Formats: sequence, structure tokens, C-alpha cells
Amino acid sequence: EDQVTQSPEALRLQEGESSSLNCSYTVSGLRGLFWYRQDPGKGPEFLFTLYSAGEEKEKERLKATLTKKESFLHITAPKPEDSATYLCAVQPFSGGYNKLIFGAGTRLAVHP
Amino acid sequence: KAGVTQTPRYLIKTRGQQVTLSCSPISGHRSVSWYQQTPGQGLQFLFEYFSETQRNKGNFPGRFSGRQFSNSRSEMNVSTLELGDSALYLCASSLGIEHYEQYFGPGTRLTVT
Repeated sequence: EDQVTQSPEALRLQEGESSSLNCSYTVSGLRGLFWYRQDPGKGPEFLFTLYSAGEEKEKERLKATLTKKESFLHITAPKPEDSATYLCAVQPFSGGYNKLIFGAGTRLAVHP
Repeated sequence: KAGVTQTPRYLIKTRGQQVTLSCSPISGHRSVSWYQQTPGQGLQFLFEYFSETQRNKGNFPGRFSGRQFSNSRSEMNVSTLELGDSALYLCASSLGIEHYEQYFGPGTRLTVT
């Protein structure tokens, strides 16, 4: 069964304290892995898509990496505005197009 | 470019009623997917439409249905509402071919009493 597990569930950081969020996945065949950011009461905001092991993508203070079993979202020198829930999702080859399987998310709080 | 829009944003219904939610995708996107988000189950895939055809379906009962129009706008319908249907319903659009990034709307918050 295709599955996504995110850790930790919650993370509290001081401003400027770098850290990483983990996304472990089990999927029959990976079409793509996606990272989203979700603020309370809003829809998820697209951050990155990763397609193959070894791939890395960066955007401002965020960097996403992918291996055959997991993905990491590295946050460098975070600011309070980075506080949000970060969601990881996989799109398997089986099950058809555009079906995303989401993890439960990591709630990140960055304090000044 | 305008983003994904969903209407209404908030809805309160009574058990047993039915409800229709609407989604307008990003201009040029032909695929629309629907998701249900609850605190207990997280984000779960409902179904996906591409060029007016349902291309994929999640594990939800037949009370949940949808359709897509020729302009790619989509609606989802939930009949015989149950208390457990209270959730944030999210719509996501994508090009649908080769590029799989999905862009989400703000969601419709449905409360069933």
C-alpha cells in the first residue's frame, strides 16, 4: 500500500536555527514527490516537485532533496513567517494521474 | 494569472441535505482534482477530472460525485450529508499532461449539523 510518513509532527525553532523535515514514503512506483506549505484556514501552496533520486531544488530559505526512500525539506535560518504546516505528497505511477497521497504534515513554529 | 477559485468559501448544512461546491481552475489547466481535509484523516483524494471525464477516483462512497464542464470548471456534489462530511474541501488544478504540479484553491469549509 502506498504510504507517506512525515516527521516530526511538530517542530519549534528559534529564528535563525536551521533544521530539516523528513518525508518517508513507500510507493509502488514514484511519478513525483511534492512539497506544499499550508497556512491555517488556507489551501496548500505549492513549493517543489522532485522526480528522481538525487534531485535537489531550492527556493529562498528552503531546499528539498530526494532519495529512493525519503525526502528532506531543509530550512536555513528560518524566520517567523516560515511558520506553517509543511505537507509532503507522492504521486504513484499506479492509480492514475494526479492522485496525490499526502502525509499528515509537520507543524513548524519559528519564534523570534 | 488568477489562481484557483472556489465557491462558496463557507457552508453550513443539515444532516440529510445535499450540497454542491464549485471550482474554477487556473486558465489553461484542464485537470481538476478534489480533496477532503479533516483533522483526523488529513488530505484525502476524492476524484480527478480531465477534459470532462473522470480519470481517477479515491475511496469515498457514491454519495460523493463530481463533474467537469467544457470550460474546465468543476463541481462536486455530496448527497445525504452526514456529520462526518464536515471538512475543508479543496480543489486543485493542473495542466494534466506531463506537468503534474497541482495548485490548490482556498477551499470550501463545510459544516454539517
